[in-house]
Amino acid sequence: SQQGEEDPQALSIQEGENATMNCSYKTSINNLQWYRQNSGRGLVHLILIRSNEREKHSGRLRVTLDTSKKSSSLLITASRAADTASYFCATAGGTGANSKLTFGKGITLSVRP
Amino acid sequence: DTEVTQTPKHLVMGMTNKKSLKCEQHMGHRAMYWYKQKAKKPPELMFVYSYEKLSINESVPSRFSPECPNSSLLNLHLHALQPEDSALYLCASSHQGLATSYEQYFGPGTRLTVT
Repeated sequence: SQQGEEDPQALSIQEGENATMNCSYKTSINNLQWYRQNSGRGLVHLILIRSNEREKHSGRLRVTLDTSKKSSSLLITASRAADTASYFCATAGGTGANSKLTFGKGITLSVRP
Repeated sequence: DTEVTQTPKHLVMGMTNKKSLKCEQHMGHRAMYWYKQKAKKPPELMFVYSYEKLSINESVPSRFSPECPNSSLLNLHLHALQPEDSALYLCASSHQGLATSYEQYFGPGTRLTVT
């Protein structure tokens, strides 16, 4: 079953603006990961934040995690047309050999030149 | 080499055919995965191999048969598929055998059409 739920489902912004995407989940997690997928292609890992971390940066990406609210946000600053893609949050749960990622429904981001 | 390769890129098969999807990585990863993704939907986990042993089968129908011949290769054997099995099949790998402690590296996928 899907754990993460992203919000909004679709986002359209102008190049240079910031894009903020939110993800909520239901059960306890080991970590939360964000992935990007260009149309019809494989997923690319963007960033992983562990359950004991609150914020993480990578280039133009900033991710926050609030385990008390069971939510995460992904901020892309100074967006570019090349950022146009689908973005998925994925929650990592389970233990040992049963641990797995569960992906949310995804957010479609369109960045207008 | 941080690449996961998948062959073929596209596959069209009839419901009585037998075919195989192949996945390869040379990053020394010990966990490998098969996902199925329908259009405008998230990837759905099918199988997880950890140290070449099947550790998770998400109740996938037996017409899908995974195989991990060695730590670099992952196959998905297909037989008697249904049209609703048409989808993008993604392979991924990650460090060691604990499936979720590390990021997953995805291949470009095989676009499967069942006629």
